[in-house]
Parts: sequence; C-alpha cells; structure tokens
Amino acid sequence: EAGVAQSPRYKIIEKRQSVAFWCNPISGHATLYWYQQILGQGPKLLIQFQNNGVVDDSQLPKDRFSAERLKGVDSTLKIQPAKLEDSAVYLCASSSDSNYGYTFGSGTRLTVV
Amino acid sequence: GNSVTQMEGPVTLSEEAFLTINCTYTATGYPSLFWYVQYPGEGLQLLLKATKADDKGSNKGFEATYRKETTSFHLEKGSVQVSDSAVYFCALSDGTSYDKVIFGPGTSLSVIP
Repeated sequence: EAGVAQSPRYKIIEKRQSVAFWCNPISGHATLYWYQQILGQGPKLLIQFQNNGVVDDSQLPKDRFSAERLKGVDSTLKIQPAKLEDSAVYLCASSSDSNYGYTFGSGTRLTVV
Repeated sequence: GNSVTQMEGPVTLSEEAFLTINCTYTATGYPSLFWYVQYPGEGLQLLLKATKADDKGSNKGFEATYRKETTSFHLEKGSVQVSDSAVYFCALSDGTSYDKVIFGPGTSLSVIP
C-alpha cells in the first residue's frame, strides 16, 4: 500500500511569514495526526482528526496554527505568523487503529529565520 | 497523565555488541506499548509493539517484553550492526476511544565498526 505522503520536504521562511504543509494519509485510515518534532525531542501531538472532525487539539497553539481535513482524506496544517521557535519537523501520521501503531510520513522540515 | 521515560543517550556501541535501551511508562488502564525507529533524515517507523502484559514484540532482531509489574518495555538486541544507528522512541497508546500515542524523548544509538 502507498505510504503517508507529505509535502513539501523542506521549507525555509522568515519569521512572521506564513506557511502550509500538506498530508495525504493511507487510503482508508480514518485517523490522522499532526506531530511537531523539535530537534532532539520526541514528537509532540498537535492535532488529531477522526475522519474530518477534530478529536484533540489541546496542544495546538491556536493563535497561530490551524489545521483542516476536508472530506476526511487529506489535511493541511498552517502557521501564520511563524516564530523562530516553530523551527521543527512536522510529521503527519495515520492509523486505522492506534493500538497497532501509526504510519508516519517523511515529514516537512521547517526552518524559520 | 500518561508519560514515557527513556534512558538518555547518545549510546555508542561497537558492532556485534549487546544493546539495551531502557523504557518505563506511567499510564492508567492498560496501554499498548511501541518502539519506533527514526533513521537519519527519515520519518518514524514502527519497529515493534506489544498490546498486553507479558507480550513480547520482536522485529529485525530487536525484542521488547511488556512488563506490567515494573511498568517497563526495554528494547534489546543481541548483536547490533552499523545499520542500526538511529534514534529509538518508546511510546504508548492508552487504548481509550480516540486515544493518542505519546512518545518518549528518544535515545540516539551510534554503532561503530
């Protein structure tokens, strides 16, 4: 089966600019996750979708981050405006049942300068 | 709340050495436990999992046993190879509806010839 697709692979922006990341999960996976991984740390969940509804966004900085999952398939994560501390790898993952693990995409490495 | 603690790295081993990476967890209920691996420049991959107490997960020569009495899920491999150099993340899923996977901070492993 095809894996989780993410784009772009890399992005460099200046602080206060906006940026968007795209994710296409594995076909049929109802649950989609966006994680932020700061260098040297474990991934931190930003938002979790079940189909096209949000089930957990408690750690999403809502003043600058937003995410949507239209039609319960692919998803977009946006940052506006970006701060230096947003420099990280943004990972998308999907699952049919989290007790059996996630499948991760390769991630988008964001550098804010 | 739920959390995962891992031994600090980096860990440096010679090829064919025995590997142990310690992982302990705090969780209510009966979580599923995972080890994920992240090779340089890549996303996370599920390495192995265990869904109930005393289960042993195994893959690619790696093993980990779910120990409820010690709340541990230590990763072991009898003979490491240079290609095992990566960052290893212990993680848990608390098994509730719409549950999420919580990751430990990761342990970096370098295997030298």
